[in-house]
This record gives sequence, C-alpha cells and structure tokens, in this order.
Amino acid sequence: RKEVEQDPGPFNVPEGATVAFNCTYSNSASQSFFWYRQDCRKEPKLLMSVYSSGNEDGRFTAQLNRASQYISLLIRDSKLSDSATYLCVVNYGQNFVFGPGTRLSVLP
Amino acid sequence: GAGVSQSPSNKVTEKGKDVELRCDPISGHTALYWYRQRLGQGLEFLIYFQGNSAPDKSGLPSDRFSAERTGGSVSTLTIQRTQQEDSAVYLCASSPLAGAGGEQFFGPGTRLTVL
Repeated sequence: RKEVEQDPGPFNVPEGATVAFNCTYSNSASQSFFWYRQDCRKEPKLLMSVYSSGNEDGRFTAQLNRASQYISLLIRDSKLSDSATYLCVVNYGQNFVFGPGTRLSVLP
Repeated sequence: GAGVSQSPSNKVTEKGKDVELRCDPISGHTALYWYRQRLGQGLEFLIYFQGNSAPDKSGLPSDRFSAERTGGSVSTLTIQRTQQEDSAVYLCASSPLAGAGGEQFFGPGTRLTVL
C-alpha cells in the first residue's frame, strides 16, 4: 500500500459546483497534513494546512480524520481558476510524503 | 522577497553525461529538500538537508545521484552518467522549520531531458 493515496481524477465539474477530494495515508505516526496546489508545468504551492479540528479558508474547507487516516478538501462555488492538481501531503518528523495528486478541471 | 531559485531552468543532455542542478533557497531557511517529478507523476523525495546535520539521503534512487549543501545555503544535485529514465523535473524546496508545521516553498524546477 502506498503511503499517501489519492484518486487521480480527473474531476470535471461546472463552474459553481462543489467538489470534494479525499486522501488516505498509511502511517499512523503522521503529525501534520497539508493540501498543495500544482498548476500545469508549475511548482507546487501551499493551499492550506489541515488541522485536527478542521479549518476553512474562504471557499476551501479541509478536514482530518485521524481514526480513519484520511484527509479531505472541499471546494465550494468552484471557479475556472481552481483548475489544477491538488496534492495531499503528510508529514512525520522530517519526512514529507506527497500523494500523486487529484486533477480538477472546472468547466465554463 | 526572493523565493527559491533553481538553475538551469531546462537542461538537455546526452545519455552518459554528468549534470549539476543548482538550488538557491530562501535566505534563512534551514531545511532544504530535493524532489523528482516525472511527467504526469507525483513528487518523489530524493534528499533532505537540515542545518549542519547529516543529510537524509534515503530517497536517492542510485549511487549516480549525490547532493551537497554548502554553508547551509546553496545546494547542488549531481547526476552522474545520466540515463533516459532520469528525465524529469527536479524540484527544490526550502522551509524555515524542519518537520511539523514547516511549509515548503518550491522553486520553479529544472526540467532535465536525457537523450
């Protein structure tokens, strides 16, 4: 089993839709969790950290379920500019393990 | 302020040649990571530097790969006797903190093509 797994997609959704991505991780010692965004042929950039209590940043909501070892990202009212690959990242100690990413295409 | 920079942005080389890829992290960042990303794939961890500690080389795929970080700042990733399967984007990231809570700031990457 891979350390961090994601549905590769693509998720094709119309503008204004709500879309959710899940990510599962295998290492129960994982300490920190992040969602990064990567545009085509660009470097990854931090979208948001994921806290145990769940957190929201505008249209984006991240949740963590330690018992089931999964993380989710919800995007509401999706925009064309949200089209990208979303990378789930799990950290334990000095190790950052990136998931393969989920590709999102928001269609006009 | 200045972000992470990498050079060259593109490198085309012939199989069997050696290449050097450079990373300039954000000033003051103590942690530095190298990753490899093949076309359409996720990021693959290669090596990690933290301050003056011994680097974590556990991700290096073979002994043809090596990396140095001089003076706790600039890092160079060297690939000897390149093979076609080495073709990928090599990404460098730095972080002000090691481990938990440390956001990684990525450079634009070096796109390596081995003919």
